[in-house]
Amino acid sequence: EVELVQSGGGLVKPGGSLRLSCKASGFNFGSYFMTWVRQAPGEGLEWVSSISAYSTHLYYADSVRGRFTVSRDNSDNSLSLQMNSLRVEDTATYYCVRDFSGYEPYDSWGQGTLVTVS
Amino acid sequence: EIVLTQSPEFQSVTPKEKVTITCRASQDIGSSLHWYQQRPGQSPKLLIKFASQSFSGAPSRFSGSGSGTDFTLTIDSLEVEDAATYYCDQSISFPRTFGQGTKVEIK
Repeated sequence: EVELVQSGGGLVKPGGSLRLSCKASGFNFGSYFMTWVRQAPGEGLEWVSSISAYSTHLYYADSVRGRFTVSRDNSDNSLSLQMNSLRVEDTATYYCVRDFSGYEPYDSWGQGTLVTVS
Repeated sequence: EIVLTQSPEFQSVTPKEKVTITCRASQDIGSSLHWYQQRPGQSPKLLIKFASQSFSGAPSRFSGSGSGTDFTLTIDSLEVEDAATYYCDQSISFPRTFGQGTKVEIK
């Protein structure tokens, strides 16, 4: 069974930093793109960042480029999102998401983790 | 950036009724359009991939159609458990974008 278990998140002040993690199991993690999607309270879904299987391609939304860094460790089946210079508007639930190629549907989602910048 | 516009944004529906949600893309995306269901307090779940392909585990009452710029998600015979917000998503290019969502309420 595919499982994406997220950790990290919490309350941080504007300008602060936070690191989100996602531990994958039940599939060949090293063969998949991975993505972060966020959802501000009461709002819709927003794509944040994607990373290719071997970390050769990294993609970021304009709203986070230069502040967030996505990374992965295929030996540990883990995905991370380092968030620096956090802003109030970064407050959201962040989801770790599986996507085979970057151009596929998001077929498995983590449980989400809330980041509050205040 | 490809903009996806869903309509309606809200729909109040009686059980067993048919529900139709549309998603319009700002440019031709072929069939690279996917539909998700998000129940309150839960993570989104994939329902339909590539416009019309049912995803494993999705109830058969959900179906999708369309190509190019106009897409439709149909729920035949709405059930109480279908109360949720539905989102479309395009995967033809980065940045990936979502529609703003359609909230379906049960009357």
